[in-house]
Amino acid sequence: QITLKESGPTLVKPTQTLTLTCTFSGFSLSTSEVGVAWVRQPPGRALEWLALIYWDDDRRYRPSLKSRLTITKDTSRNQVVLTMTNMDPVDTATYYCVHTDGNLDWAFDYWGQGTLVTVSS
Amino acid sequence: QSVLTQPPSASGTPGQRVTISCSGSSSNIGSNYVYWYQQFPGTAPKLLIYKDNKRPSGVPDRFSASKSGTSASLAISGLRFEDEADYYCKSWDDSLSGYGIFGGGTKLTVL
Repeated sequence: QITLKESGPTLVKPTQTLTLTCTFSGFSLSTSEVGVAWVRQPPGRALEWLALIYWDDDRRYRPSLKSRLTITKDTSRNQVVLTMTNMDPVDTATYYCVHTDGNLDWAFDYWGQGTLVTVSS
Repeated sequence: QSVLTQPPSASGTPGQRVTISCSGSSSNIGSNYVYWYQQFPGTAPKLLIYKDNKRPSGVPDRFSASKSGTSASLAISGLRFEDEADYYCKSWDDSLSGYGIFGGGTKLTVL
């Protein structure tokens, strides 16, 4: 059974760096053709794809946020960390981590519950 | 940065068939798979369709999808009140080293 859970601060100040951790179970990021992605959703708005890290450490980022995002994995702890620098109120959103793999052709098949991050002074 | 375009809203009455479109370009839908997700308020999205038109186990066959060129569509037949939700298409874009991309979402109202 695959589960994912996001953790991190619920409130950050403008210009601060956000660090979110996704702790997962039921799969390993050292297994071939597995990945974990981050997706966010501002209140009342659409989903936004942020970043994806693959089992082989290949990483992809949303182009408009690439300079601010870093995604890393710790396979021994079954965790993926997303770091976003220079936070702004427009970054207020629910942040989801998501499992993906080649079995369903890289569909986002398992989602965490999401964590709401508010950016405010 | 590329975008996938969806109508902001769609509606239908119980029993009807409704379709939701998703328009992209040659760098995304035109050369990569399309996925569809369903999201109810306050909950995480759920995978509805993968690989253009495949349903994961547990998704009713009332949901179907297709793709042609740089556009895709999701169809819901035998519409039910419980289908009222937001629907998002997703694909991969091959430009700029490659990245994922969601549509703007469509709010489906069952009247």
